[in-house]
Formats: sequence, structure tokens, C-alpha cells
Amino acid sequence: SAVISQKPSRDICQRGTSLTIQCQVDSQVTMMFWYRQQPGQSLTLIATANQGSEATYESGFVIDKFPISRPNLTFSTLTVSNMSPEDSSIYLCSAPGQGNIQYFGAGTRLSVL
Amino acid sequence: DAKTTQPPSMDCAEGRAANLPCNHSTISGNEYVYWYRQIHSQGPQYIIHGLKNNETNEMASLIITEDRKSSTLILPHATLRDTAVYYCIVRVHIANSGYALNFGKGTSLLVTP
Repeated sequence: SAVISQKPSRDICQRGTSLTIQCQVDSQVTMMFWYRQQPGQSLTLIATANQGSEATYESGFVIDKFPISRPNLTFSTLTVSNMSPEDSSIYLCSAPGQGNIQYFGAGTRLSVL
Repeated sequence: DAKTTQPPSMDCAEGRAANLPCNHSTISGNEYVYWYRQIHSQGPQYIIHGLKNNETNEMASLIITEDRKSSTLILPHATLRDTAVYYCIVRVHIANSGYALNFGKGTSLLVTP
């Protein structure tokens, strides 16, 4: 398996501010993934974060709103910028572990007032 | 990736086997069937995966039909802690690279005393 640590685990933020979520993996991985889970919904892929290159965003997600950093092979951050109440969601990161199975962090529960 | 169809919800009595079905009639020859579950507000947890043979691990068994168009996840002795949303995902398994997962709506399993 892989141990994936996310922080913060939850936050309450004001409209118009930004929050940076951190994801740490216990092994070196080339690709990491960020997902959003809106209330009562399933997970939706935001972007793929490759070390050494720009993140690849899915349709409906843009870099200005969700900038991603990938400074090394064990770490990534996702920033939710200029937040509005519609950004209230759980944000999750994932990375491959043993057997190339995808493992997930516990998630960051974000509430925007 | 092949699309999957799961019942939206199921109930199971504690101590009984929980059999969760999944249809994936458009599955390709090189696509695996993965099962994850998400206990309320936590990150998805990997359960099991398989290509065409039945698989068993400490958590569950996976039965894949001979034509591979459907599968069943079996929790042999369900406990209250197995109450979760169960996701069936079909995906090509890439040996040396990470890959994202396409989550559908899943099956909400309620285990009752």
C-alpha cells in the first residue's frame, strides 16, 4: 500500500480567499492525482500532477482556479483560489502504491462561507 | 474506460454475506475490474481487483463472469463497519505508470444489526 497524508483535514474559509492543500506520499511517485467530491456526489478528477511538468487539467477545471505544484516525487499541493461557496467540497489526492494500485488520502473537507 | 452500472443502494444484515453486483458489458480485453469503498467522508479505500479469474483477499472476494460483462463483490460476513459506498471501476491496468480512476455513483451499502 501507500501512505498518503493530506492537510489540512478540514477548513472553513471566507469567500474570496485561497486555501492550499498539501499531499505527502511515503514513496517516490511520478504521477499524483487530485479529485473533488461535491456534497452527495461521487469523485471527479481535477488534474494529474506529474513531477517536472505542468499539471494536466480535466475539462471544467483551470489552472487559474486550481493551481497545482509538484516540487518533488513525494509531494504536491492544490490551491483553491478566490473561493466561493460552490467550492465547498472534499478534496482528495491519490498516488500509486504497491502493485500500482491507486491509494487515496483522507481528504480535505472545505467549507466556504 | 468501460462504463459500469451498479444498483444505487443495498441492505444487508450483519453477519450475512453482502453481494454487490456490477455490470460492465463494454469491458475490453485488457481492462481490469477494481473495487473501492468510501466510508462516510473518508478517502476511498482499495478493496480488490481482477482481470478474469476470481480473486480473494482478506477483505473480499471478486467473482467475474466468464464473458467478463459483469462481476460481484462479496463481503462474506458483513459488519456494521462495512457500511459504505462501494465503487466498481473498470480500467486498463498500467504497470509502470500512475492512472486516474473514473468513479461512478456506486452502491450505498447499509449493514443493519
